[in-house]
Amino acid sequence: QQPVQSPQAVILREGEDAVINCSSSKALYSVHWYRQKHGEAPVFLMILLKGGEQKGHEKISASFNEKKQQSSLYLTASQLSYSGTYFCGTEKANTGNQFYFGTGTSLTVIP
Amino acid sequence: EPEVTQTPSHQVTQMGQEVILRCVPISNHLYFYWYRQILGQKVEFLVSFYNNEISEKSEIFDDQFSVERPDGSNFTLKIRSTKLEDSAMYFCASNVRNEQFFGPGTRLTVL
Repeated sequence: QQPVQSPQAVILREGEDAVINCSSSKALYSVHWYRQKHGEAPVFLMILLKGGEQKGHEKISASFNEKKQQSSLYLTASQLSYSGTYFCGTEKANTGNQFYFGTGTSLTVIP
Repeated sequence: EPEVTQTPSHQVTQMGQEVILRCVPISNHLYFYWYRQILGQKVEFLVSFYNNEISEKSEIFDDQFSVERPDGSNFTLKIRSTKLEDSAMYFCASNVRNEQFFGPGTRLTVL
């Protein structure tokens, strides 16, 4: 079961904020967030494991709700380098076995 | 910094031919994965490999596909009798402690 990711695309001006959501119909073991630039491999941003957890990476942070069914990625004061496609990857169990990726959110930051 | 490497970077093949995509995961990692990404679409899980055997595979990973770890460093994906719809980027990834590191990918073009 793939997670549902929204929005599909967003365009921001430099300095603006954005939120990307990732939802599952069932509780998850973990959520990973990745950024992929055009023609490149996905790059790991962060992982959330605990319900209610929040984590930050420079001006990019993420949360995992208490029920562990939804995660949000927050991009604040966006920079041109934030442009890319953001994917959430989810695990249903602590097996390290199978990851389901969301459909991706295309983020474009313009000057 | 250690990284996952993949060869070749681009493979062109005729429909019906067999291809082998190669990956060298990061040396102390325990879990290995193959993913596929059709142009413009999301990353799709194919298979995970742990302790020298397949631990999980998706519905995409049918009898046409196989994986091997022929020696202590290489991890291969074989696609038998390629079809046009197998054209995609194929990413190898490895992880330890939850963070997945992706290789740069192999672009497979089936003519």
